[in-house]
Amino acid sequence: DTAVSQTPKYLVTQMGNDKSIKCEQNLGHDTMYWYKQDSKKFLKIMFSYNNKELIINETVPNRFSPKSPDKAHLNLHINSLELGDSAVYFCASSPGLGETQYFGPGTRLLVL
Amino acid sequence: GENVEQHPSTLSVQEGDSAVIKCTYSDSASNYFPWYKQELGKRPQLIIDIRSNVGEKKDQRIAVTLNKTAKHFSLHITETQPEDSAVYFCAASKGSNYQLIWGAGTKLIIKP
Repeated sequence: DTAVSQTPKYLVTQMGNDKSIKCEQNLGHDTMYWYKQDSKKFLKIMFSYNNKELIINETVPNRFSPKSPDKAHLNLHINSLELGDSAVYFCASSPGLGETQYFGPGTRLLVL
Repeated sequence: GENVEQHPSTLSVQEGDSAVIKCTYSDSASNYFPWYKQELGKRPQLIIDIRSNVGEKKDQRIAVTLNKTAKHFSLHITETQPEDSAVYFCAASKGSNYQLIWGAGTKLIIKP
């Protein structure tokens, strides 16, 4: 069984569109994250949620809005997509903040 | 806040030789140091971690050493094989309730 899953795996869209990426974990973890990994491979933390509450919100444009309907899910909605949003987006979870993180397979977003 | 620096950014070694990747951290209160491996097109996965009450940890061909005085920790891979080719990330945390801070990654290339 997949521990951390994301959908979709690939997303190709036009500039200006709005899109969502879904993430689910079945590990019973309290903390979930969204990361952006661009072509330079750096893992940039975007958001961290603990028990459905936002605890870390790095410098991310407010076009990006996370939503956590319950502890097992953390979705990412992106408005007015721009070329620079093209990247791989990883969801991750951990038992608590600062502990071992388990990553989803990634969503490859390409904005044309 | 905590800062983690990782060197080198790219490392090329002959198959069968050893590889060493080094990370330095700034906050002496950090006590958890994981290493992740990310193969091309895949998710980052934990390969080994160490806590500050231990100076060295080994798992088959990989080992991690920690020098708390100098505030650095290193990943050692012996008898490198083609499947070791990947990007390796170090990270540091002060434990629960503190964010995991990531290094910039090292691309390891194993030459046949």
